[in-house]
This record gives sequence, structure tokens and C-alpha cells, in this order.
Amino acid sequence: SAVISQKPSRDICQRGTSLTIQCQVDSQVTMMFWYRQQPGQSLTLIATANQGSEATYESGFVIDKFPISRPNLTFSTLTVSNMSPEDSSIYLCSVDAGLKRTQYFGPGTRLLVL
Amino acid sequence: GENVEQHPSTLSVQEGDSAVIKCTYSDSASNYFPWYKQELGKRPQLIIDIRSNVGEKKDQRIAVTLNKTAKHFSLHITETQPEDSAVYFCAASRADKLIFGTGTRLQVFP
Repeated sequence: SAVISQKPSRDICQRGTSLTIQCQVDSQVTMMFWYRQQPGQSLTLIATANQGSEATYESGFVIDKFPISRPNLTFSTLTVSNMSPEDSSIYLCSVDAGLKRTQYFGPGTRLLVL
Repeated sequence: GENVEQHPSTLSVQEGDSAVIKCTYSDSASNYFPWYKQELGKRPQLIIDIRSNVGEKKDQRIAVTLNKTAKHFSLHITETQPEDSAVYFCAASRADKLIFGTGTRLQVFP
């Protein structure tokens, strides 16, 4: 399986500010995804990060709030913009690392918005 | 779109007993069904998966069964151990994206 890292691992932010989360993979992958996991809840897909084109967002998530970059096949960023306390959550990236369409998750970024 | 329901939300068993978690999905075109285990404060870890061309898959103490007609699949853990305590998520996929169930908190008491 791929080795996936995320930065930062956690952060405490003030409302109205923005935070950019980085996801790095140790090998080239076709698909990268961003999920949100609110406290005690399941994982919700935010968007698919497409290399060389705009991300594909799920219902309820918009580019202005969650801009995503995918400059190459090993790296992606998710920005949480104009944060409010409701954005407090764990944000996880995942990658589809092989032919079997198996997804592996990064360690997550714990975000607390005050 | 796809909707995945998962039951029960919590499950407590005695060490050595079996545990069963069930999921149903709505999109008959879904063809890949992974199960993830998430320990407190850690990332979800894939523990087993099944594709729609098979009805059952086993890996040591864990097994997954799939009923395509009824659109449900189940995770079976035998001879449970305290280290099996975690939250388990099922998921369903038709294309590349996963839709997750709501999770089951499993507690195994010694």
C-alpha cells in the first residue's frame, strides 16, 4: 500500500481565516480524494482531486469553500476557507493506489475552529 | 446516488464470541464493498473487501458475505479479541468513489 502523509496533523484556527492541508504520497497515484469526518461521525466525501483539471465536488461542497489543487500525481492540497466553528472536523485524504480500486487513507488533519 | 445503511450502531460482545455487522446499499450498480476499521484517533484501515463477482471472502477471523439480489453485505468477526474493539465502517462503490455507512462501534469485553 502507499505511504501517505498529511500536514498539518492538527491546528487550531480563528473563525474567518483559511487553512491549507497538504497530502503527499510516496508513489504516483491516479485518484486522490478528500473526506471530512465530523466528531463521532462517518466519512463524507468532499471531492475528487483530479490531476491537471478542476476537482469534482460532491453535493453540499463547493469550490469557493473547499478549493483543491492537484499539481501532480503525488500531491494535493485542500483549503478550508473562511472557517467557522462548524468546520471543526478531521480532514482525510485518500488515494486509490492500485489496479484493485482500493483506497488508503492518510493520517488526517484535526481542525478546531474557535 | 448511492446510500449505505449500517447496523447496529453499537455492538458489545464477550471475548471469544462472534460479531456481525450488516450493511445495505441502494445502487444496484455498486460492485465494490470494502470494510474499514478505525481505532480511536487513528486513520481508517482497510481490513477486507469484496467485489460483486463473489459471494464470500475470508481472511483468518474475518469474513464478508455479499447478497447482490438483496443488496446487502455483512462483516463477520469470529473469536473476537479486545483488540478488535474499534469503529467499523462499510462502504459501497460503483465508480471510483466510496460511500460510507454510518459506522458500528464494537466493544469486546475480556
